[in-house]
Amino acid sequence: GAVVSQHPSWVICKSGTSVKIECRSLDFQATTMFWYRQFPKQSLMLMATSNEGSKATYEQGVEKDKFLINHASLTLSTLTVTSAHPEDSSFYICSAPEEGGGNEQYFGPGTRLTVT
Amino acid sequence: SQKIEQNSEALNIQEGKTATLTCNYTNYSPAYLQWYRQDPGRGPVFLLLIRENEKEKRKERLKVTFDTTLKQSLFHITASQPADSATYLCALVWYGGSQGNLIFGKGTKLSVKP
Repeated sequence: GAVVSQHPSWVICKSGTSVKIECRSLDFQATTMFWYRQFPKQSLMLMATSNEGSKATYEQGVEKDKFLINHASLTLSTLTVTSAHPEDSSFYICSAPEEGGGNEQYFGPGTRLTVT
Repeated sequence: SQKIEQNSEALNIQEGKTATLTCNYTNYSPAYLQWYRQDPGRGPVFLLLIRENEKEKRKERLKVTFDTTLKQSLFHITASQPADSATYLCALVWYGGSQGNLIFGKGTKLSVKP
């Protein structure tokens, strides 16, 4: 099956700094990618939809100026958490749908962000 | 708003038994429902998809049912093995929702004891 990778797998940063997380589709093209956040023992919550060549679409309650998304190519989307605070500490997961409009989603392995 | 509930936070069963996990939803019927497996510190892995006009889907030892009257999906793992221990998530896509706009339940952590 298709593979989605994320980098880094974990990151620790100081409060007030910015962190960039990369999401790559390794063997297929993804014009759309999705960014989720998961707090311990909670559901995955969709944060935003990343669209190649256009602006991302953010879910209600997600600050677009804080969570910057760039979909630079058909295989790469990045999420930058700007001015990170301890409450941003979470597990960030990206996904991409299978090519051809299928319904299956391929998820990355996730990035654990800890803000101290 | 749409709501999904996976009734059991945790389920412990003996190896060889059938594990049955429940997913209930409220309000509108989804276009389709998916089940995922998530291991600790990892992203979800797709297992099965069932559409609203399908009653049952099978894949090897896995079976999913979908009852739109009860607004419920059941996920079964037969002849369970310790390697099946993981958190299982159900997720729905509603009519009119985007492909990636999966609404996830909190998951049920399954532990299969040898």
